[in-house]
Amino acid sequence: QVQLVQSGAEVKKPGSSVKVSCRVSGGTFSTYAISWVRQAPGQGLEWMGGVTPIFGRSNYGHNFQGRVTITADESTNTAYMELTSLRSQDTAVYYCARGNGIHIWLLDLWGQGTLVTVSS
Amino acid sequence: DIVMTQSPLSLPVTPGEPASISCRSSQSLLDGDDGNTYLDWYLQKPGQSPQLLIYMLSYRASGVPDRFSGSGSGTDFTLRISRVEAEDVGVYYCMQRIEFPFTFGPGTKVDIK
Repeated sequence: QVQLVQSGAEVKKPGSSVKVSCRVSGGTFSTYAISWVRQAPGQGLEWMGGVTPIFGRSNYGHNFQGRVTITADESTNTAYMELTSLRSQDTAVYYCARGNGIHIWLLDLWGQGTLVTVSS
Repeated sequence: DIVMTQSPLSLPVTPGEPASISCRSSQSLLDGDDGNTYLDWYLQKPGQSPQLLIYMLSYRASGVPDRFSGSGSGTDFTLRISRVEAEDVGVYYCMQRIEFPFTFGPGTKVDIK
């Protein structure tokens, strides 16, 4: 059974960076895109960007360009999302999601979420 | 960016009764090259990660009960639940996947009357 396992909760200071991981276990990694979606407290879902491991190419949401880097390591079946210059508004749960079948950018399988708290 | 809107934003439902949620996009989600409509529906149950319900307008994801159905065309879409069950409560989101960046609707909160 394919699972997306994310790294644990983080507490960061404003201005610092955070790097969240998403490991794909029990299934194919390289041929599907991994997207990152965030959800601020009490708010809706926001697509941040994604990467296609087999091509090593990333796409980003306009709200995050310049601050977010999404990468994939095929040797460990793990995708990463790094967000820099953190501010309090970045406090949110961050989810990774993976495609399926021929729909490589579909958000079919989701991780459990990682809470990132930005506070001084 | 493509703007997604949903209505209503809150929907009290009665178990056993039908329910529907509307979603609109600021641009057509029909891909002229492959003929597919790139509109997906997600449900986020309380305290859980979102889960895929419907993809490409009308295809049910694996394990999704057939009481859920998706329809529409171009810029107007509908998610229908034929007979609501108590386990269907949560927030429903539509999302466009025709172009980057993908964008979600604001969500429709469904709860039991």
